[in-house]
Amino acid sequence: AQSVTQLDSHVSVSEGTPVLLRCNYSSSYSPSLFWYVQHPNKGLQLLLKYTSAATLVKGINGFEAEFKKSETSFHLTKPSAHMSDAAEYFCVVTHSGNTGKLIFGQGTTLQVKP
Amino acid sequence: DAGVIQSPRHEVTEMGQEVTLRCKPISGHDYLFWYRQTMMRGLELLIYFNNNVPIDDSGMPEDRFSAKMPNASFSTLKIQPSEPRDSAVYFCASRKAGTSSYEQYFGPGTRLTVT
Repeated sequence: AQSVTQLDSHVSVSEGTPVLLRCNYSSSYSPSLFWYVQHPNKGLQLLLKYTSAATLVKGINGFEAEFKKSETSFHLTKPSAHMSDAAEYFCVVTHSGNTGKLIFGQGTTLQVKP
Repeated sequence: DAGVIQSPRHEVTEMGQEVTLRCKPISGHDYLFWYRQTMMRGLELLIYFNNNVPIDDSGMPEDRFSAKMPNASFSTLKIQPSEPRDSAVYFCASRKAGTSSYEQYFGPGTRLTVT
């Protein structure tokens, strides 16, 4: 079975400070991992993905995530938050054995204060 | 290239009415997924198709929900009769077979309100 746990339901940072959104996963297979972002009243947009290549993955808008198998983690980071980063972020896991069905975390709301 | 297209973007209907949501996947994509998003339950997979054939509908809440994919470029999700608890945002997503990453591309969603 697979599961995803986003450790914080809400994160608040000041503009210009680092962002850390935490995600732990559980998978019996080699996982593919994603971070999606959802801005208010919008659809989900893929930020970045891990598919067993480099463990440090760079995505759009300055975000990156590191796959740590020993810790079963895939935390999302950004060195400097921007007001436009305020959104809901979803950590997602899947693997080849389930035909690519995505398992979503509950989401983390990122608030960016001026 | 156009992304996943959904219509309508907003739908308000009265309890007991039939509701039809529509989706056009990205051209060339082989898989199509329907999701429902609510505050209480988050994102739930309702059903998905591969090459127009329904593969897994275990997430469909009850018989009031049905989905079809008559061709590679069109799918519908129908609720009949609708109930207030069906109020949610419904997303359609698609992906291409043969990719190792399984990433899905989401449409903008249909916000359904049943009064």
